[in-house]
Amino acid sequence: GENVEQHPSTLSVQEGDSAVIKCTYSDSASNYFPWYKQELGKGPQLIIDIRSNVGEKKDQRIAVTLNKTAKHFSLHITETQPEDSAVYFCAASIYNFNKFYFGSGTKLNVKP
Amino acid sequence: NAGVMQNPRHLVRRRGQEARLRCSPMKGHSHVYWYRQLPEEGLKFMVYLQKENIIDESGMPKERFSAEFPKEGPSILRIQQVVRGDSAAYFCASKPGTGSTDTQYFGPGTRLTVL
Repeated sequence: GENVEQHPSTLSVQEGDSAVIKCTYSDSASNYFPWYKQELGKGPQLIIDIRSNVGEKKDQRIAVTLNKTAKHFSLHITETQPEDSAVYFCAASIYNFNKFYFGSGTKLNVKP
Repeated sequence: NAGVMQNPRHLVRRRGQEARLRCSPMKGHSHVYWYRQLPEEGLKFMVYLQKENIIDESGMPKERFSAEFPKEGPSILRIQQVVRGDSAAYFCASKPGTGSTDTQYFGPGTRLTVL
């Protein structure tokens, strides 16, 4: 089955700096890659996603890049704010098979 | 427009008791997924259901765990004879149906503690 690895496990940045979280996947059939933000005591909230026919997607301060050849994808957050502090999860899935394989999470701390 | 709802939010059970976790998907969503999250870990897929059908239960332990999504009412994840290792957060997610977006929308979770 699919194996998703995520790095780093913790990331501390100063407010206003950029943060980058990286994930790799093993199954070349995976074609959908969502990113979720989870705040303490809450469920994961989708923040951005990308499909394998696209190399990059941006939504305001958040962007995701995908390298199908190398089987890795990354989350980029620019101009970080304290409210960005949370645990971020990447995931991979195969369209129509649907189950998500999650990375182990990155705890982002944005220092004011 | 209510999101995915789960109840209870917190559940405490003693070893050997049964735990029943409920999930009401978003309005118009007919597909439900259950995931388990251990402390400091990512979410692990358990089961995928459509109304009255189990589509994929490959992540579900073979014994003591069962899931259903009846024609009417919420989806239920049932854990019989709970053990301490069952302590975790259980999340439900829903999506509209096949052929639509892959995006899954998650509920707030049920935190199960087994004493």
